[in-house]
Amino acid sequence: KAGVTQTPRYLIKTRGQQVTLSCSPISGHRSVSWYQQTPGQGLQFLFEYFSETQRNKGNFPGRFSGRQFSNSRSEMNVSTLELGDSALYLCASSWGDRGVYEQYFGPGTRLTVT
Amino acid sequence: AQSVTQPDIHITVSEGASLELRCNYSYGATPYLFWYVQSPGQGLQLLLKYFSGDTLVQGIKGFEAEFKRSQSSFNLRKPSVHWSDAAEYFCAVAADTGGFKTIFGAGTRLFVKA
Repeated sequence: KAGVTQTPRYLIKTRGQQVTLSCSPISGHRSVSWYQQTPGQGLQFLFEYFSETQRNKGNFPGRFSGRQFSNSRSEMNVSTLELGDSALYLCASSWGDRGVYEQYFGPGTRLTVT
Repeated sequence: AQSVTQPDIHITVSEGASLELRCNYSYGATPYLFWYVQSPGQGLQLLLKYFSGDTLVQGIKGFEAEFKRSQSSFNLRKPSVHWSDAAEYFCAVAADTGGFKTIFGAGTRLFVKA
């Protein structure tokens, strides 16, 4: 079974631009979560989507948004990029059912904002 | 609020020596606990998980962890470390908040001496 895939793997953007990252979960998984990983803040939860609905959200500004499609693929968008948005963005998928919380992570998208 | 503490930022052990990585959590309900490993430039790989039942859980790559409710701990152990175990290790707790989100510790970087 194919794992979680994320595209692109690397991205360089300029301050003020916007970016869209994509995540394809493991087949059959309905929950997709996004995390930001930086050396200073570690792994921080952004949001979780389940069956096209945002179920949970972390403490990030409104510039960070996401969505999930009917095939469970998910995208996250960051508008008006800031230098501090440079990070590894990780996507994780799960069955999403209550009581089943193990997540499987993709390789991440390395975003650099200049 | 849920939190995870990994008191050791980095640990160095000799190849063949035993390993214990510490993890303490704070969560009001029954915790769902995980250990993940991350190699440089990679996503996170699930090593093991604890949901309920036997407090000593076995994982992949020869790792095990023991859940101690009285100490709010979930320490990771391995009897004999291999050079390929050098990586960053994350302890995490899943919080059921109507959806779920995973709270990660800051991570412990493991160095293995030849």
